[in-house]
Amino acid sequence: GDSVTQMEGPVTLSEEAFLTINCTYTATGYPSLFWYVQYPGEGLQLLLKATKADDKGSNKGFEATYRKETTSFHLEKGSVQVSDSAVYFCALAFSGGYNKLIFGAGTRLAVHP
Amino acid sequence: GAVVSQHPSRVICKSGTSVKIECRSLDFQATTMFWYRQFPKQSLMLMATSNEGSKATYEQGVEKDKFLINHASLTLSTLTVTSAHPEDSSFYICSATREGANEKLFFGSGTQLSVL
Repeated sequence: GDSVTQMEGPVTLSEEAFLTINCTYTATGYPSLFWYVQYPGEGLQLLLKATKADDKGSNKGFEATYRKETTSFHLEKGSVQVSDSAVYFCALAFSGGYNKLIFGAGTRLAVHP
Repeated sequence: GAVVSQHPSRVICKSGTSVKIECRSLDFQATTMFWYRQFPKQSLMLMATSNEGSKATYEQGVEKDKFLINHASLTLSTLTVTSAHPEDSSFYICSATREGANEKLFFGSGTQLSVL
């Protein structure tokens, strides 16, 4: 079945370090791909998305490129801040069914000053 | 932006008791609400979908008699874990959609349930 696998956390970085959180997927069709972020005490929020191969989603300095050949959607940021500390979820869904998201397990990021 | 309030954020209960979790859309009418569950180190999994005024649709493998979902109004859905057991200990999270939001989901902050 369709699934999402993301790197296990926690990921601990110093401020201004480069961030990569790996995400790969298995899908029978051509899904849209998403990154959600959950800050402490808050609900998940959509961070960025890409709807087709080679699309790049970006927001708040974060980027992820939809790579069909490697079935990946890795999240990157060039210089993290303490305020980026959160849990990041990779997810996929099919057009017309964005409400039926298939999530990964989440990766906790801790950024220290 | 749209806000979804979920509470309690954390609950500890004894085995055999029932626990109710509430999910409220604070500033919009939620046509559809979703309930997810996440076991430690596993994916966030959709449990059920509920539309206001109708019975919830449960995903395969989710016991409808154990996880009672009520969506009695456009701003409130409740999940009741009946006769909870330690294996029901998990993180439960709700989300909601509203008309015209182009399939955008708004999430609650989640409830950590621990059954002793």
